[in-house]
This record gives sequence, structure tokens and C-alpha cells, in this order.
Amino acid sequence: KQEVTQIPAALSVPEGENLVLNCSFTDSAIYNLQWFRQDPGKGLTSLLLIQSSQREQTSGRLNASLDKSSGRSTLYIAASQPGDSATYLCAVYNNNDMRFGAGTRLTVKP
Amino acid sequence: EAGVAQSPRYKIIEKRQSVAFWCNPISGHATLYWYQQILGQGPKLLIQFQNNGVVDDSQLPKDRFSAERLKGVDSTLKIQPAKLEDSAVYLCASSLNAGGAYGYTFGSGTRLTVV
Repeated sequence: KQEVTQIPAALSVPEGENLVLNCSFTDSAIYNLQWFRQDPGKGLTSLLLIQSSQREQTSGRLNASLDKSSGRSTLYIAASQPGDSATYLCAVYNNNDMRFGAGTRLTVKP
Repeated sequence: EAGVAQSPRYKIIEKRQSVAFWCNPISGHATLYWYQQILGQGPKLLIQFQNNGVVDDSQLPKDRFSAERLKGVDSTLKIQPAKLEDSAVYLCASSLNAGGAYGYTFGSGTRLTVV
């Protein structure tokens, strides 16, 4: 059974810092991995989707990497802004099933 | 492209009452999912539909939860009777196909509070 872990559970940084969020999964036979952002009380907004054959994806200040063999993914946020404050969730897809981590709650202080 | 629509946005009910949530997926998306997200946790799959058929409902508490997608488009999730532990955000998602190759798109969710 796939287990997805996100570390740290919470992170607080000053504005302008570069930061890395981590996601690990136990079953490396994944089809793809997706990073989401969730604002309080809201639904999930897709940030980046990495197929199993890919190593990374970039969108603006966000860069996500995938290392299937080690069961890890990282989400890199450059030059963080207060508007980046949210919970970031990673989800892995395999065997017709998507499993989520519990998320990292990010606070960017002005 | 219109996103995944969900209603209502919020619902407060007393325990033992019933409640229903509605979801309209992105047009053309064959696969629809209902997730339950308890505060501080990641979403947990309740049920997955492929068109109007159920693909996976192994984690759906069938004694109180039911869901349908009769015409293969919109879907309804019902809880009857509700318990305090059902307080959560209920998220609907859709994808182009069951393979998930294009990722999932989520709606804004329905926040349910059972008192």
C-alpha cells in the first residue's frame, strides 16, 4: 500500500527566501506525481504534474523534481512571497489510485 | 474551460440528519472522484466513477454514505445519518481518463460541519 509523507509539516520563512518542500513515497512504481496548493477552506489547485518518465517540471517560480528510484520529490519555491502562504500537498498516482500526503503548511512573513 | 463545480460551499447540520453534495465535472472528463479531507490530513478517496460506473468504493462507509452518477456527468454524494466524525471538506475531482495521465482537477469543496 502506497504511503506518502511530507516533511516538514509546517514551515515559516521570511519573504524573499528560497525554500524546498519534500515529499517521499514508499512504492516507486508510480504513474505520475502532482503537486497541489490549498488555501484555507478551499479546494486544491494543481501546480505541477510530473509524469514518471520525467525528472522535473517548472512553472514560474516553482520547480518540482522527481526521483522515482529513491521515492522522493521536491518542490522548490524561489523568492517566496506572502501570497505563497498556503498548504502544499503532493499526490502520487499508481494502480488506479491517487494517494496524498498530509501537506506542508507554509507561511511566508512580510 | 470551466472548472469542477461543487455545491454547496458550506453546510452545517446536526448529527443524525442527512446531507447531499453535488458535483459537476469538467466537460468531457470521464472519471469523477469524491474525496474526504479531515482537518490537518490529506484527502482520502471515497469513491471513483468511470462514466456512470463505480470503479472503486472500497473506502466508502456504505452504511451511511452513498453516491451516484446516473448519466455519467454530474454526481451526488449523500450522508445519512451524519455523525460528528463526518465533519470534513468533501472534494470532487475529475480527470480525462482513469489512467490519470493528465492529472486531476479539483473543485472548491464543500465544508461540512456536523454538530
